[in-house]
Amino acid sequence: NAGVTQTPKFRVLKTGQSMTLLCAQDMNHEYMYWYRQDPGMGLRLIHYSVGEGTTAKGEVPDGYNVSRLKKQNFLLGLESAAPSQTSVYFCASSYEGLETQYFGPGTRLLVL
Amino acid sequence: AQSVTQLDSHVSVSEGTPVLLRCNYSSSYSPSLFWYVQHPNKGLQLLLKYTSAATLVKGINGFEAEFKKSETSFHLTKPSAHMSDAAEYFCVVGGRGSTLGRLYFGRGTQLTVWP
Repeated sequence: NAGVTQTPKFRVLKTGQSMTLLCAQDMNHEYMYWYRQDPGMGLRLIHYSVGEGTTAKGEVPDGYNVSRLKKQNFLLGLESAAPSQTSVYFCASSYEGLETQYFGPGTRLLVL
Repeated sequence: AQSVTQLDSHVSVSEGTPVLLRCNYSSSYSPSLFWYVQHPNKGLQLLLKYTSAATLVKGINGFEAEFKKSETSFHLTKPSAHMSDAAEYFCVVGGRGSTLGRLYFGRGTQLTVWP
């Protein structure tokens, strides 16, 4: 099993550009999450999904959109990137709400 | 509402000495508590979790944590630090009720291990 994978690993964007981050899991997990990690802030939840076709907002959803068209994939979109979105983005998944979350390796995003 | 406070942003120890990373939690419900570790430029790995069974929880790599309801604490300990323990550690509380499935992270404690 590959677990949780993220694409791309690193990306540089200019302000105003758009991009999509892809998260895939092969563990048949129902729940999937997108976090951002900034120095001294821990991980903050952007959006999450409790099943195929569902999405919900987390702590810091502004400027991001998500889609969960297939159970194994969770996409995070930035429609118009801003320098404040420079961060490391982590995807995670879990079988149920009380279960352990498994994290991907992260995507480093730099917005100039 | 759920939240965690990690009391130290940085902890430094010498190799072979004990490690103590402190965490206090706040939860309206009986909490699920976790410790995750992040090595440099890596993803997060689960060290251990508490889900209302034994109050002393043993994890990987010799780490353990004790749930103390009266003190609302969930401190992480290890008897003897190893160089490979140098990493960032996150205390985490799980959501309940309307926030079931969400995790709330502390700000992290950076552990440095000196030779």
